[in-house]
Amino acid sequence: QLQLQESGPGLVKPSETLSLTCTVSGGSISSSSYYWGWIRQPPGKGLEWIGTIYYSGSTYYNPSLKSRVTISVDTSKNQFSLKLSSVAAADSAVYYCARRPYYGGYSFDSWGQGTLVTVSS
Amino acid sequence: QSALTQPPSASGSPGQSVTISCTGTSSDVGGYNYVSWYQQHPGKAPKLMISEVSERPSGVPDRFSGSKSGNTASLTVSGLQAEDEADYYCSSYAGSYNLVFGGGTKLTVL
Repeated sequence: QLQLQESGPGLVKPSETLSLTCTVSGGSISSSSYYWGWIRQPPGKGLEWIGTIYYSGSTYYNPSLKSRVTISVDTSKNQFSLKLSSVAAADSAVYYCARRPYYGGYSFDSWGQGTLVTVSS
Repeated sequence: QSALTQPPSASGSPGQSVTISCTGTSSDVGGYNYVSWYQQHPGKAPKLMISEVSERPSGVPDRFSGSKSGNTASLTVSGLQAEDEADYYCSSYAGSYNLVFGGGTKLTVL
């Protein structure tokens, strides 16, 4: 059974870089059948798509975050990662990693449990 | 790209049907048959309920159905049950590999 697990610091200082990793188990991140993505949710608010990556390294980012976001993949470790630079309080959120089937209509069909990241000095 | 518009709340009694709307533009909802719906219980990760406007993933009860007309998509929950009480989010492909979510609707089972 596929499992996704986010990991990384729960507290990041303003202006620094947020770094998170998603470890995939029960399936291969190198499968051509899936994309892998990051979605966030500020406390008490809605979901926001951050970006998506394919195992080949092709990336797609939310235009509103594009200048600050980098998503990368490490197939040897079955992981993909998120870096968000120059963070501010507005970037405080639960960050989810998720899987998106290649032929799934841009839906995320499997999600990690999420990890809360707080931006504060 | 702007967030899709959903009503903040919806409600219904057990056994009744409720419909939640998701309004976008011709650049997202109206332009593609790539609308998805997610259910999220408090403190939990979202769960995919509907993809590609009306497709139900394996394991999702057939009480959940999706449709679209013009720039508005809808999720209908029939035969409401207590466990259906949750937040519901729509999402749509918005072109150029972009994805946009709705603001969410809190469904209350009275």
